[in-house]
Amino acid sequence: AQKVTQAQTEISVVEKEDVTLDCVYETRDTTYYLFWYKQPPSGELVFLIRRNSFDEQNEISGRYSWNFQKSTSSFNFTITASQVVDSAVYFCALSGGVTGGGNKLTFGTGTQLKVEL
Amino acid sequence: GAGVSQSPSNKVTEKGKDVELRCDPISGHTALYWYRQRLGQGLEFLIYFQGNSAPDKSGLPSDRFSAERTGESVSTLTIQRTQQEDSAVYLCASSLFSTSGGTSTDTQYFGPGTRLTVL
Repeated sequence: AQKVTQAQTEISVVEKEDVTLDCVYETRDTTYYLFWYKQPPSGELVFLIRRNSFDEQNEISGRYSWNFQKSTSSFNFTITASQVVDSAVYFCALSGGVTGGGNKLTFGTGTQLKVEL
Repeated sequence: GAGVSQSPSNKVTEKGKDVELRCDPISGHTALYWYRQRLGQGLEFLIYFQGNSAPDKSGLPSDRFSAERTGESVSTLTIQRTQQEDSAVYLCASSLFSTSGGTSTDTQYFGPGTRLTVL
């Protein structure tokens, strides 16, 4: 069975601080995909990133960066110089691909990020 | 282009009534998913359609839940004899499913959801 753990339920930071959201996953699949989604107060899930299990390169997109480490089964997400607009619930998710758990996503319970002025 | 759309955006019903929730996927997307999000929780997978293959119904919580999809178009999630524990946001997602070298790539794009309240 697949499992995603986001141990941080809620994080509060002051604007311009850096913040890291943790994600730890469990899977028996050798091929799998990891995702991050953002859910702002409006409620709609916004896709942020997808990584496959064969690509451990870290990725940076503007103020966002992701650190994928298979050795620790983690896929952490860092926001640099946080802004109020970053306030949202962030979900980490895992899918198993064709041969594993299939394409359905297993989600973590989410981390509520509050960025204050 | 247009994203995933869902209707209604809100639905209030009485316990024991049946409800139908609709999802219009992104045009050309072959895969369609339904998830449920209870208040303050993550998303739970319900059902998955891929082309003409038999749907993956492994996440449906009871036989009161069913879903249909005609071809690669609209899907309807039906909940019969609703219970208060069915109150949640029901989210639909679609993806352009593709395979390469035996593995799949599949980014799911979500609709705005239907908030269901069972009184």
